[in-house]
Amino acid sequence: GDSVTQMEGPVTLSEEAFLTINCTYTATGYPSLFWYVQYPGEGLQLLLKATKADDKGSNKGFEATYRKETTSFHLEKGSVQVSDSAVYFCALLGSGGSNYKLTFGKGTLLTVNP
Amino acid sequence: GAVVSQHPSRVICKSGTSVKIECRSLDFQATTMFWYRQFPKKSLMLMATSNEGSKATYEQGVEKDKFLINHASLTLSTLTVTSAHPEDSSFYICSASPYWGATEAFFGQGTRLTVV
Repeated sequence: GDSVTQMEGPVTLSEEAFLTINCTYTATGYPSLFWYVQYPGEGLQLLLKATKADDKGSNKGFEATYRKETTSFHLEKGSVQVSDSAVYFCALLGSGGSNYKLTFGKGTLLTVNP
Repeated sequence: GAVVSQHPSRVICKSGTSVKIECRSLDFQATTMFWYRQFPKKSLMLMATSNEGSKATYEQGVEKDKFLINHASLTLSTLTVTSAHPEDSSFYICSASPYWGATEAFFGQGTRLTVV
């Protein structure tokens, strides 16, 4: 079945540092890929998405590119802020049939210190 | 973006009782809804997928008689935890898609269930 492997962390950075959280996937067909963010005690918020190969999702300074050749969707941000501290989940939405469901990575806790 | 409302956000119940969690799509019709469970410091585990008007499809290892899912309308799905026990305490999250195969699912805020 589909699977997502994500750098588990935790990751601790200083403000304005560069962030990379690695995510690779295994899937059949043509999945859509997502990054979700979860703040303490809250539900999931969609951060960005890409629905086909070579698409780049971006939002709030975060970016990720759907790389089919390396089956990757790494999350990057050039300069993190304290307010970016949260848990980040990489996820895959299967392309249909019995694969139509969201499969999540294990999450990466990011802490940004001032 | 589309809005999914989950209620209640927090609930405490006594062991042996049942509790119902509602998931509503407020501004779109959700043909497909998903229910997830999240353990502390863990990822989300898909419990079941439901299509409006059909029986839910449960993931392996999820007790269908314990976690009753109803998706009777295009805007509402409910998860009922029956005869709850302390080990059922968890964070439950729903998500909704406008149709089977849509390239996005929208999440509710989650429900923190504590069974005492």
